Amino acid sequence: DAGVTQSPTHLIKTRGQQVTLRCSPKSGHDTVSWYQQALGQGPQFIFQYYEEEERQRGNFPDRFSGHQFPNYSSELNVNALLLGDSALYLCASSSTSGRALRTDTQYFGPGTRLTVL
Amino acid sequence: AQTVTQSQPEMSVQEAETVTLSCTYDTSESDYYLFWYKQPPSRQMILVIRQEAYKQQNATENRFSVNFQKAAKSFSLKISDSQLGDAAMYFCAYRSANNFNKFYFGSGTKLNVKP
Repeated sequence: DAGVTQSPTHLIKTRGQQVTLRCSPKSGHDTVSWYQQALGQGPQFIFQYYEEEERQRGNFPDRFSGHQFPNYSSELNVNALLLGDSALYLCASSSTSGRALRTDTQYFGPGTRLTVL
Repeated sequence: AQTVTQSQPEMSVQEAETVTLSCTYDTSESDYYLFWYKQPPSRQMILVIRQEAYKQQNATENRFSVNFQKAAKSFSLKISDSQLGDAAMYFCAYRSANNFNKFYFGSGTKLNVKP
């Protein structure tokens, strides 16, 4: 059973460019969340997708956008890259179920290391 | 907004000994989950243990156990019989039980294990 996978592993971009990161959730999971983890810090929530819609969003500018596909995989797009966007970007998947749409434990992918020069 | 605080940036433990990592959180909610995640140098975040706030019994997973004090909003992780492979960053995380709620992570504790 494949866990959460992310691509690419590493990425180097220059300021002002745009980047797309990809995530495939763990088998059986339908909800994907994205996090930014700066060096030496804990992950910061960017947004969460369920049923191809953004359900929750953290304190990130509109330069950060996302998408979820019918097969539950997801993309994170960042436009007009800044030096401060350099970080490890983590994808986490979980299963949302029940009438209350409760979401269980998240499982994380290995991350994409983005460096902005 | 919820906050999670880990006041120990770094800790060391001798192999085979016991260490406790601290975590406090702030919330006005009554129904939530708490987690400890481990992030080894290879960077993939791994779930260590999970606690549901409505359960009074402390969660245990092999050598890992928690001390959950709901009134004090404290959630510490005890690692018994420490092994070299336990060396990693440990993150405490909070999640509301409400719909689609995000995780709030602490800043992490780096655990060193000495042979």
